[in-house]
Amino acid sequence: ETGVTQSPTHLIKTRGQQVTLRCSSQSGHNTVSWYQQALGQGPQFIFQYYREEENGRGNFPPRFSGLQFPNYSSELNVNALELDDSALYLCASSPNRDRNEKLFFGSGTQLSVL
Amino acid sequence: DQQVKQNSPSLSVQEGRISILNCDYTNSMFDYFLWYKKYPAEGPTFLISISSIKDKNEDGRFTVFLNKSAKHLSLHIVPSQPGDSAVYFCAASGILTGGGNKLTFGTGTQLKVEL
Repeated sequence: ETGVTQSPTHLIKTRGQQVTLRCSSQSGHNTVSWYQQALGQGPQFIFQYYREEENGRGNFPPRFSGLQFPNYSSELNVNALELDDSALYLCASSPNRDRNEKLFFGSGTQLSVL
Repeated sequence: DQQVKQNSPSLSVQEGRISILNCDYTNSMFDYFLWYKKYPAEGPTFLISISSIKDKNEDGRFTVFLNKSAKHLSLHIVPSQPGDSAVYFCAASGILTGGGNKLTFGTGTQLKVEL
């Protein structure tokens, strides 16, 4: 059983650029969530997708957007990058969106904005 | 506003002894809690969870205790092993308006188990 995979593992961008991060969910999982983990902080919820629809969103501006595809893989897009967007971006999948369903995390994409 | 707090950034314990990691929360609407463990260069992995209808849940060497009146939970690891050295995150599950759930994490506690 393949786990959650994210690409790329590391990325360096400059302020104002746009970035796309990718995530393949674990086999059989239809729900994908994205989290941002800044240095020294816990992961913060960005948004969740269930069967290709956004299911809920955290306190992030509209320049953070996402997609979920029919195979349940997902993308996180960030426009107009700011220095504070430098963080580890974690994707997590779950078998369904039941509220007590545990999440399975990928290893993350480390984004540096210069 | 930090709704889930882990006030100890680090903890050092000798191998074989008990490790106790603490977590406090402020939102009384939280009713399901989880602990995740994270090694460097890996994503967090689920460890153990507890529902608010219980005050204790045990899984092998790991036990989580919940004190709802104090809005406090703790993770006990007995006996501690060097492989337990990692960052431990406490998380609370909240409902999304669209029907799913999101996790609110604490800032983590770095556990080091020494030989």
